[in-house]
Amino acid sequence: GESVGLHLPTLSVQEGDNSIINCAYSNSASDYFIWYKQESGKGPQFIIDIRSNMDKRQGQRVTVLLNKTVKHLSLQIAATQPGDSAVYFCAENPRGSQGNLIFGKGTKLSVKP
Amino acid sequence: EAGVAQSPRYKIIEKRQSVAFWCNPISGHATLYWYQQILGQGPKLLIQFQNNGVVDDSQLPKDRFSAERLKGVDSTLKIQPAKLEDSAVYLCASSGTLNTEAFFGQGTRLTVV
Repeated sequence: GESVGLHLPTLSVQEGDNSIINCAYSNSASDYFIWYKQESGKGPQFIIDIRSNMDKRQGQRVTVLLNKTVKHLSLQIAATQPGDSAVYFCAENPRGSQGNLIFGKGTKLSVKP
Repeated sequence: EAGVAQSPRYKIIEKRQSVAFWCNPISGHATLYWYQQILGQGPKLLIQFQNNGVVDDSQLPKDRFSAERLKGVDSTLKIQPAKLEDSAVYLCASSGTLNTEAFFGQGTRLTVV
């Protein structure tokens, strides 16, 4: 489940394994979703996005799955590398909000070499 | 393409003092956002500009926070007077069009003592 404040959910994986990071979004009217990666001391970096008329989108080593029925988003990272270690945030854009992104609390991914 | 520029990177002030942050978005981006990110949490929108007009400032504590984007390019965010709970990273982001990904700067880490 999700944590509050300093206690981010943490996912620890071995280098080379696949990672799956999950996110439950709040607004059934959201029609655009983004995954961001945030390394320590840096701003969030765009990874991949998906619109509500799709249920799957693939990028380089990453796949985003969208299940609108249960308001669930996941990010799959193939062959996880040490450089993937970071905090990952999902963000949703409610329809009609004019681009305002609402961020989830984040998941910390730790990759063990 | 140059990214979103923010300054300063770090700022330490005493409570009740004032502080200002500066942001230069990606060239040509009409939409500019200011987010507050408290340690261990996802970014929270403070204010969104479209060109030099405010689109959403519903979560901006207007008794102490103010922001402007006079010429539709650079923006400043001010806090006066600061409180201990304002300690956070202040992130500026920009996007070219609504409902597309926002690109973030590295942020300004504010510590109020």
